[in-house]
Amino acid sequence: AQSVAQPEDQVNVAEGNPLTVKCTYSVSGNPYLFWYVQYPNRGLQFLLKYITGDNLVKGSYGFEAEFNKSQTSFHLKKPSALVSDSALYFCAVRDRRTAGGGNKLTFGTGTQLKVEL
Amino acid sequence: DAGVTQSPTHLIKTRGQQVTLRCSPKSGHDTVSWYQQALGQGPQFIFQYYEEEERQRGNFPDRFSGHQFPNYSSELNVNALLLGDSALYLCASSLVGAHNEQFFGPGTRLTVL
Repeated sequence: AQSVAQPEDQVNVAEGNPLTVKCTYSVSGNPYLFWYVQYPNRGLQFLLKYITGDNLVKGSYGFEAEFNKSQTSFHLKKPSALVSDSALYFCAVRDRRTAGGGNKLTFGTGTQLKVEL
Repeated sequence: DAGVTQSPTHLIKTRGQQVTLRCSPKSGHDTVSWYQQALGQGPQFIFQYYEEEERQRGNFPDRFSGHQFPNYSSELNVNALLLGDSALYLCASSLVGAHNEQFFGPGTRLTVL
């Protein structure tokens, strides 16, 4: 079984400050990890993914995420937040060993990011 | 290049009715997955279609069924609607392969009265 925990329902940060949105995961094998963002009444937009290799992954809109295998974490970060980054962020995991190559994603419950002036 | 499209945008049904939702994948994609997102929750995986067959299924009852057509588009059917089926239904497409990211459509908002 695979699961994702996003321990913070909401994160507040001032514009220009760094932001971190936390994510921890559980899979029986090695994970593929993803971050998505959702704006009101919209579908999910892909931000970045970890497949293998460098533990620091860079994605869209200046976001990056750090994979930490020992802590089973994949926190989303941005050095300088913008008001336009305010949205709902989802972390998702997929077990590499899924039978038949299926690509079911298991999502966390989401973290609402609010960036204020 | 059109992304993932879904129809209809909104739908209102009553308990016991049946509903069909439609999805066209992003150009070049061959795999379609469906998710249910209840209010305030993360998306929950319903099932995935590849080569016109259901390849993987989440913990949803048999009332939820689907189909994939030769052009890779897909339908989600829900029978005997319950109030608890009210949610945003998201379609996602990708290339086959567990490492590939999924691209999501805008969703269909289903309200069951």
